[in-house]
Amino acid sequence: GAVVSQHPSRVICKSGTSVKIECRSLDFQATTMFWYRQFPKQSLMLMATSNEGSKATYEQGVEKDKFLINHASLTLSTLTVTSAHPEDSSFYICSAIQIAGESYEQYFGPGTRLTVT
Amino acid sequence: RKEVEQDPGPFNVPEGATVAFNCTYSNSASQSFFWYRQDCRKEPKLLMSVYSSGNEDGRFTAQLNRASQYISLLIRDSKLSDSATYLCVVGVFGNEKLTFGTGTRLTIIP
Repeated sequence: GAVVSQHPSRVICKSGTSVKIECRSLDFQATTMFWYRQFPKQSLMLMATSNEGSKATYEQGVEKDKFLINHASLTLSTLTVTSAHPEDSSFYICSAIQIAGESYEQYFGPGTRLTVT
Repeated sequence: RKEVEQDPGPFNVPEGATVAFNCTYSNSASQSFFWYRQDCRKEPKLLMSVYSSGNEDGRFTAQLNRASQYISLLIRDSKLSDSATYLCVVGVFGNEKLTFGTGTRLTIIP
C-alpha cells in the first residue's frame, strides 16, 4: 500500500514556541491531504483539508492563524502549531488521498505526538 | 446526535470467539464506508471497505444496511492480535473528507 510519513514522530516543546510537522506521501502524489487531531480516548477530529497550490480549508472551530498549513508540493504538506500551549498537546495525524480510477483510499501517516510543557 | 456512533466497549472476548460491532451514521448522503483498526498510540489502518453487497476478507465480514443506516463488522475465530480499537468511518460521495466514530475497543483474552 501507499506510504505516508510524518516528521517528527514526537516533539516536546515549551509553551509559546512554534512547532512544524511535515507530512509526506512517499510513493504517490497527493493533491489533497488532511490533518487530524486525536486527544486521548477520543476519535480523530478533522482539523483541515490541505490542497496543493491553494489555501487550506479549516473545519469549524479550528483557528487558521494558529494552525498554519502549507501544501507546497504534491508530496508535502506542513502543519505549524504557532505559539503552542499545553492544551495543544495531542496526537496529530495526517493523511493523503490516493486516487485510483473512480475510487480512492486514504492513507495515514504514523502521527506526531506533541507535548507542550 | 453524533454523525457516526459506535459502542465504545470495551469488549473482552475469549480467543477463538466471534465478535460483532455495529455502527450507525446520521448522514443519509453517505456513500463510502470503512472499518479502520487503530492500535494504541498508532495511526489508523484500513481494515476493509464496506460495500452495499457486503464483503468478506478472511475472518472479517462487513455489512451495510442503508435503510437503517448502520454498518457492521464481524470477526470470526478471534486472535490475540485482533486486540485493537475498531473505527467506523463514513464518507460522502464526491467529498473525500471522512468522519470517524469514536471507536470500539476490543481485547481478546487468551
